[in-house]
Amino acid sequence: GIQVEQSPPDLILQEGANSTLRCNFSDSVNNLQWFHQNPWGQLINLFYIPSGTKQNGRLSATTVATERYSLLYISSSQTTDSGVYFCLLNNAGNMLTFGGGTRLMVKP
Amino acid sequence: GAGVSQSPSNKVTEKGKDVELRCDPISGHTALYWYRQSLGQGLEFLIYFQGNSAPDKSGLPSDRFSAERTGGSVSTLTIQRTQQEDSAVYLCASSLLNTGELFFGEGSRLTVL
Repeated sequence: GIQVEQSPPDLILQEGANSTLRCNFSDSVNNLQWFHQNPWGQLINLFYIPSGTKQNGRLSATTVATERYSLLYISSSQTTDSGVYFCLLNNAGNMLTFGGGTRLMVKP
Repeated sequence: GAGVSQSPSNKVTEKGKDVELRCDPISGHTALYWYRQSLGQGLEFLIYFQGNSAPDKSGLPSDRFSAERTGGSVSTLTIQRTQQEDSAVYLCASSLLNTGELFFGEGSRLTVL
């Protein structure tokens, strides 16, 4: 199956700093999503981004499908950004593959 | 409904009891997934339903676990004779198509004493 690697696995930021999270994958995909799992365990949709670039407030994401990676940018980080960020790939129906996640802690 | 709804949000049970967890997907979504997440771990695939097709049960960890989806909508995950290692958050997700955007419910936290 498809291999998905996220980096870095852990990240500590000071409030206000910017960061880039990366998701590398080994095969072509039909769907790529970024999720934020908050400290209460809720999985929140950030981006549905099989290709191209999208922005939503302080967050943006870029997927370069031909080079098999996606980036999630967090600017001016806030403590509420803390949690785990997952990328999810779907290349055929039930073939969902999660990355291992990036655990982010933003310190005040 | 507006989102994926799961119930109960929390369930504490004694070892050996049966539990049922319910998922109400977004209206019209044909694909439905069950995952579980143990404390500090990633998401573990359990089962996948797509329309009227036979479900993919390849992720169910034992024959104590079963799931059904009635009328192509609501799904119930049943765990028989619960064990302590079944303690986890059980997450349901749905999507419009099998490659569409996936939406998760808030999960059912199961604690087996």
